[in-house]
Amino acid sequence: QSALTQPASLSGSLGQSITVSCAGTPRDVGAYDYVSWYQQHPGKVPKLIIYDVSKRPSGVSDRFSGSKFGITASLTISGLQAEDEADYYCSSYTSSYTQVFGGGTKVTVL
Amino acid sequence: EVQLVQSGGGLVKPGGSLRLSCAASGFNFNIYSMNWVRQPPGKGLEWISSISTTSRYIYYTDSVKGRFTVSRDNAKNSLYLQMTSLEVDDTAVYYCARLLVGATVDAWGQGTVVTVSS
Repeated sequence: QSALTQPASLSGSLGQSITVSCAGTPRDVGAYDYVSWYQQHPGKVPKLIIYDVSKRPSGVSDRFSGSKFGITASLTISGLQAEDEADYYCSSYTSSYTQVFGGGTKVTVL
Repeated sequence: EVQLVQSGGGLVKPGGSLRLSCAASGFNFNIYSMNWVRQPPGKGLEWISSISTTSRYIYYTDSVKGRFTVSRDNAKNSLYLQMTSLEVDDTAVYYCARLLVGATVDAWGQGTVVTVSS
């Protein structure tokens, strides 16, 4: 039950695009199209922003997009805005019928 | 409106016990699997347990197996986490969460703080 691997931090300028990677294994990310992404601002509850690899819940900006290739999933934030500064976590369903999260990526908007 | 309202956190000594509760409203609780997720201070999210709609399927992360017990009462629209033999490393904010297919969490409780310290 090892955590998925994410970069600890990323930064980008206002208006730029950044991509957060999430590396798993053939038993989780590589096995199912059940990768989700969560945004968490300091002191707040996590918020679902992407599910099933690339689907956006109602109300989530289309500046957020997801993809997957093999055992690595990615979250792209286009047109970075100040309010995008937050922690981002990926998660995947696993072949053990459990869930695993990534270690989290702190996104800083310059 | 979907709501998950948590209660039961607090300060406990190592080796002690606590029971967390999560009251659901605004949706048909009976048809959703549920999760517990925790977040140690300054650290990331960690999945700790899942329970299916009828409690037939229950799963735990290795670090809490044998110490934590998840349960639900569909008649009361409530989810529970009984925690025993608590350790300092169990200190965290604990969230209850609603599960969709594929372990997607689409609703979270407000979180409850559990502090294990002597």
